[in-house]
Amino acid sequence: KNEVEQSPQNLTAQEGEFITINCSYSVGISALHWLQQHPGGGIVSLFMLSSGKKKHGRLIATINIQEKHSSLHITASHPRDSAVYICAGGAGSYQLTFGKGTKLSVIP
Amino acid sequence: SAVISQKPSRDICQRGTSLTIQCQVDSQVTMMFWYRQQPGQSLTLIATANQGSEATYESGFVIDKFPISRPNLTFSTLTVSNMSPEDSSIYLCSVGEVAGYNEQFFGPGTRLTVL
Repeated sequence: KNEVEQSPQNLTAQEGEFITINCSYSVGISALHWLQQHPGGGIVSLFMLSSGKKKHGRLIATINIQEKHSSLHITASHPRDSAVYICAGGAGSYQLTFGKGTKLSVIP
Repeated sequence: SAVISQKPSRDICQRGTSLTIQCQVDSQVTMMFWYRQQPGQSLTLIATANQGSEATYESGFVIDKFPISRPNLTFSTLTVSNMSPEDSSIYLCSVGEVAGYNEQFFGPGTRLTVL
């Protein structure tokens, strides 16, 4: 059974801080998605990674296949980054195994 | 990337009634998925809906409770039938296989409260 573990569960940061959210996954997973969920419930797909590193604006996602670990980094955090960040693992199909999410609060 | 809209965005319903949620995509997609997110929980896949075939339901979900239609490559509906307070959740649709993008795109969600 595929598993995805996220940490921390909750994270509070001051505006401007560098933020890291971690995700570990099980052997069967070959691609990792990072998703952002705002309080209204809608989900935005941030990244999909199967190797290396991707960057979009202030967001950076990395994946280490050997260690089965991925991180999402936010540079120069801002209150509008406050959301729940979810990692989800895919195993060669579109079915995903979701982590429980990290609730990020960025304080001005 | 795909643009996905859902209707309604939220609703409050009475026990025993049914609600149909619509999912519209701005491009043709083969695979559409329906998820449920109960309060404080992660997303759970309800079913996969491919155009021209019956939806495939995950363990714990049945067609009588969650009938799904997929009449064409840009639209799907999920009905939550005979609702109870336990059905209060966010329901999300997502799509895969959009113009060569090998990932899923999610809709804005429908927040359902059952009284």
